Amino acid sequence: AQSVAQPEDQVNVAEGNPLTVKCTYSVSGNPYLFWYVQYPNRGLQFLLKYITGDNLVKGSYGFEAEFNKSQTSFHLKKPSALVSDSALYFCAVRDETGGFKTIFGAGTRLFVKA
Amino acid sequence: DAGVIQSPRHEVTEMGQEVTLRCKPISGHDYLFWYRQTMMRGLELLIYFNNNVPIDDSGMPEDRFSAKMPNASFSTLKIQPSEPRDSAVYFCASSRGGVGSYFGSGTRLTVV
Repeated sequence: AQSVAQPEDQVNVAEGNPLTVKCTYSVSGNPYLFWYVQYPNRGLQFLLKYITGDNLVKGSYGFEAEFNKSQTSFHLKKPSALVSDSALYFCAVRDETGGFKTIFGAGTRLFVKA
Repeated sequence: DAGVIQSPRHEVTEMGQEVTLRCKPISGHDYLFWYRQTMMRGLELLIYFNNNVPIDDSGMPEDRFSAKMPNASFSTLKIQPSEPRDSAVYFCASSRGGVGSYFGSGTRLTVV
């Protein structure tokens, strides 16, 4: 069975500092990995995905994520955080053999302080 | 494109009443997903369609829940009868090829 874990409920970062939001996953086949962001009273917005290829994936708003197969991780990163990045971030995984059933993590709330 | 459109944005209903949530996916997308989000359980996939055909409804919690997609531009999620524990935010999402979904703004359902 596939699963995804976001070990931190909340991450606090000062504006201008780099940020990392952690995600680990478990699937039986090759993983399809995603990051989404949710702002208050809004639906999830797609940030980036890893299907295959380069382990470093670049996405929207300056975010990137690094796929690490040996550590089964897909951490979200940004070199310089903005106050406007404050939101709820979800990691999601889909097993290539499991149809299109995508499992979402519990979410990590990011606070960027000015 | 206007994105995924859901209606209503908010719904308050009494226990036992029928509730119908509506979704218009992005034109050209061939996958449609219904999710439920609660504080306790997070984001759960209820059902998804491919080319208007239900593919996996294993996430539908009970027979009180049903979903239809009569055409490529419209889907409904119905709860009959509704119960207080159904209170949640329900999201519809669509995608092309099933990868990287676009979510609607959600319907906040409160059953009293």
